[in-house]
Amino acid sequence: AQTVTQSQPEMSVQEAETVTLSCTYDTSESNYYLFWYKQPPSRQMILVIRQEAYKQQNATENRFSVNFQKAAKSFSLKISDSQLGDTAMYFCACPDTGGFKTIFGAGTRLFVKA
Amino acid sequence: NAGVTQTPKFRILKIGQSMTLQCTQDMNHNYMYWYRQDPGMGLKLIYYSVGAGITDKGEVPNGYNVSRSTTEDFPLRLELAAPSQTSVYFCASSYTAGQGLTEAFFGQGTRLTVV
Repeated sequence: AQTVTQSQPEMSVQEAETVTLSCTYDTSESNYYLFWYKQPPSRQMILVIRQEAYKQQNATENRFSVNFQKAAKSFSLKISDSQLGDTAMYFCACPDTGGFKTIFGAGTRLFVKA
Repeated sequence: NAGVTQTPKFRILKIGQSMTLQCTQDMNHNYMYWYRQDPGMGLKLIYYSVGAGITDKGEVPNGYNVSRSTTEDFPLRLELAAPSQTSVYFCASSYTAGQGLTEAFFGQGTRLTVV
């Protein structure tokens, strides 16, 4: 079965520091997008960043960046200058083989401490 | 921009009752999904649709039904509600671009409690 693995159920970081959330995935698709979503206590699912698999350059969105290793099927999220508002559940996601639906990891709960 | 709209936001059902969760999107997306999220857990796919008239089961379809008569609407039907169906339900839509399936656009979720 296709899987997305987030090995860190929970993490914490001090405000203004940097934290990296890990994700490994498995897909047979050759062309695909990968995603990180944020779910704050409001429970709304918010797209944080998107990576196109054919691009070697890692995606960046302000304080959020990824380390994408296609051969290793690894897709980690780095949050720089962490803010209290970054406290949330973070989900890694990739398409299933066939490309009809998205598979989500179990999530990493991030706490940013003042 | 309305995006994906789910109703209701909250609902309490008694065991054995039925209800329909409504979902509509105004982005002309072909792909639509229903997920459930149990407390502290990830998203589990219930059903999905790749276009009007086409639906398929996800990983946890038992106790649910869906239909997709139009591109915009994808209602989820719960028959004979059970306590195990207490969860938060998310509807989402997506589309394909050059590299395949793009990001999912989510509704605000429905918190359902079965008592």
